[in-house]
Amino acid sequence: EAEVAQSPRYKITEKSQAVAFWCDPISGHATLYWYRQILGQGPELLVQFQDESVVDDSQLPKDRFSAERLKGVDSTLKIQPAELGDSAMYLCASRLINEQFFGPGTRLTVL
Amino acid sequence: AQSVTQLGSHVSVSEGALVLLRCNYSSSVPPYLFWYVQYPNQGLQLLLKYTSAATLVKGINGFEAEFKKSETSFHLTKPSAHMSDAAEYFCAVSYALNFGNEKLTFGTGTRLTIIP
Repeated sequence: EAEVAQSPRYKITEKSQAVAFWCDPISGHATLYWYRQILGQGPELLVQFQDESVVDDSQLPKDRFSAERLKGVDSTLKIQPAELGDSAMYLCASRLINEQFFGPGTRLTVL
Repeated sequence: AQSVTQLGSHVSVSEGALVLLRCNYSSSVPPYLFWYVQYPNQGLQLLLKYTSAATLVKGINGFEAEFKKSETSFHLTKPSAHMSDAAEYFCAVSYALNFGNEKLTFGTGTRLTIIP
């Protein structure tokens, strides 16, 4: 069964360092999402792509976060510099028709 | 604007008892509604979805939910709880702004504990 892949699964970094997360959606899914999930809360949308274009990045902290999906397939989310408050689970999802499929997430801990 | 409210951040039920997780939605247009389950340090798995067809929706693992427009509710139920149901459950609402621009808004989640 096709799945959304994410790496790394866990990342520990120090404050002010740069981190990057990778997501490979299910083949053929044109829409890709990045969510941030703070412990004890529901996921919140950071950015949405349709193919290689950003559809919505209104909740992305653009001073430190960036996201790209250059060829409309896999995607990278970057944080530079990381702050303590960025500690969270970062989830990637891809969509087919009206259902989103989630990857296993990357757990980020900023020390 | 759309939103969902999950009543009860923690719910405990005995093994074999009825599971009831509550979700109320707010949406200015007919919504799509979803229930997802999340096990520790894992992503979200879709349990079931309402997309304006039958109001009683059956999902995986014996769960079902009923869409009640008059009550703006979409509560999740399971007749008999199993130890493996212990997890975090999220209700979510969506509507299509236009094709390809669908957004999910999640509730804050309900942690389900099963008592042996």
